[in-house]
Amino acid sequence: AQSVTQLGSHVSVSEGALVLLRCNYSSSVPPYLFWYVQYPNQGLQLLLKYTTGATLVKGINGFEAEFKKSETSFHLTKPSAHMSDAAEYFCAVSPLNSGNTPLVFGKGTRLSVIA
Amino acid sequence: GAVVSQHPSRVICKSGTSVKIECRSLDFQATTMFWYRQFPKQSLMLMATSNEGSKATYEQGVEKDKFLINHASLTLSTLTVTSAHPEDSSFYICSAPTQGHNTEAFFGQGTRLTVV
Repeated sequence: AQSVTQLGSHVSVSEGALVLLRCNYSSSVPPYLFWYVQYPNQGLQLLLKYTTGATLVKGINGFEAEFKKSETSFHLTKPSAHMSDAAEYFCAVSPLNSGNTPLVFGKGTRLSVIA
Repeated sequence: GAVVSQHPSRVICKSGTSVKIECRSLDFQATTMFWYRQFPKQSLMLMATSNEGSKATYEQGVEKDKFLINHASLTLSTLTVTSAHPEDSSFYICSAPTQGHNTEAFFGQGTRLTVV
C-alpha cells in the first residue's frame, strides 16, 4: 500500500524567501510522485512529477523537487517565494504508471507568503 | 495538456433534492475517471472509480445508493448526489487520467455543493 506524509499543515514564508514543503512517501514498489497546487475553490494543477530518470525534477512556476529514494522523500522547493505562490500544495504517489490507479494524496500543506 | 471540464462549479440545493455533477474529458478519451471529495482544509478523499461501460467501484464507507455514478461514454462521467443532506455539503473533484506510456491525472475545476 502507498501512503504520503506531508510534514507541516501550514508553512509561512516571507516574500523572496526559500520555500520548502516536505513530503515523505511509503510504497512497496517504485513510486511515481507528484506535486499539485490548489487555489481556493479550484481543482488541482500539476506542478511537477517524477516517474523515472533524473531525480531532480523541475516544474512550473519555478518549483522543483528531488526524489531521494534512501530518504523516501520528495520535497518541493522554490528559491524565492512570490505572493502568488500562496495556495494549498498536495504531494501524491502512484504505485504504477497506470491510468487505472488513483493517486494517493497527502493531507496538504497551506503555504502563506508574507509581504 | 489535456483538459477535464467539471460542471457546475458551484451549486446550492435544498435538502432532499438530487444534484448531478458532470465531468468531461474534452480532448481525450477516459475509460476511467475518479471522484474525490474534499472537506474544508483537508485532503482529497477518493470516493469511487468510474469505469466506462461498467459499474463504478466505491471506496469503503461510501454509499453507492447515495452517490450514483454513471460513466456512459468515453468522455463523460456523472456523479449524482441523491436525497442530499447538509452533511453532503463539500467540494467534489473529478479526475481523468490519460492513457499510454506517460499517464497523468488531470483534474476538473471542482464543484462546491451546498445543501441547505
